[in-house]
Amino acid sequence: DAKTTQPPSMDCAEGRAANLPCNHSTISGNEYVYWYRQIHSQGPQYIIHGLKNNETNEMASLIITEDRKSSTLILPHATLRDTAVYYCIVRVAGSGTYKYIFGTGTRLKVLA
Amino acid sequence: EPEVTQTPSHQVTQMGQEVILRCVPISNHLYFYWYRQILGQKVEFLVSFYNNEISEKSEIFDDQFSVERPDGSNFTLKIRSTKLEDSAMYFCASSFNAGAISYTFGSGTRLTVV
Repeated sequence: DAKTTQPPSMDCAEGRAANLPCNHSTISGNEYVYWYRQIHSQGPQYIIHGLKNNETNEMASLIITEDRKSSTLILPHATLRDTAVYYCIVRVAGSGTYKYIFGTGTRLKVLA
Repeated sequence: EPEVTQTPSHQVTQMGQEVILRCVPISNHLYFYWYRQILGQKVEFLVSFYNNEISEKSEIFDDQFSVERPDGSNFTLKIRSTKLEDSAMYFCASSFNAGAISYTFGSGTRLTVV
């Protein structure tokens, strides 16, 4: 039930914007797109989520295409501490709750 | 900031042995989850738990697996007879409600079956 595809790795210069793409062409109308990141030996950490509209918070921005088949996570000014694996996730409804369908993740390396 | 705590951080067990992975969710959270990540693979949903019963389980979560909330604070995952392919990082997560903005994940327990 693969819902998302992501490039396996990306590099970004420190201080520059990191743009991480995700394809989710089979997403259903009521399924949210979530982004989490995993820094080495820690659990996944929430970044941002959205349904249709673009979203921004203190960590990142999320741009979702109008047809909702793809999205981009933007870290506006990447720092060395942003080096992590970034997961694009589709949240699907289950039996009384939801579950996350994780992508394979993009390993972002921020370079000094 | 509240955390989900998992113990132990690393467990090594012999094939065929029972293992219990422990989690302390955030205190006012009502929904609990287990996910696992086999080395080099995706994070996969195992089970969700609410009101002292399983809400949903994946096809991975077969009869060898069980979950329990034995008291008001712990949430456990038991594997009855471990197999080599059970070796993975197991993540516990919790949320206040089903449609919560996000889940809080623990740091995981690395299970190694030898």
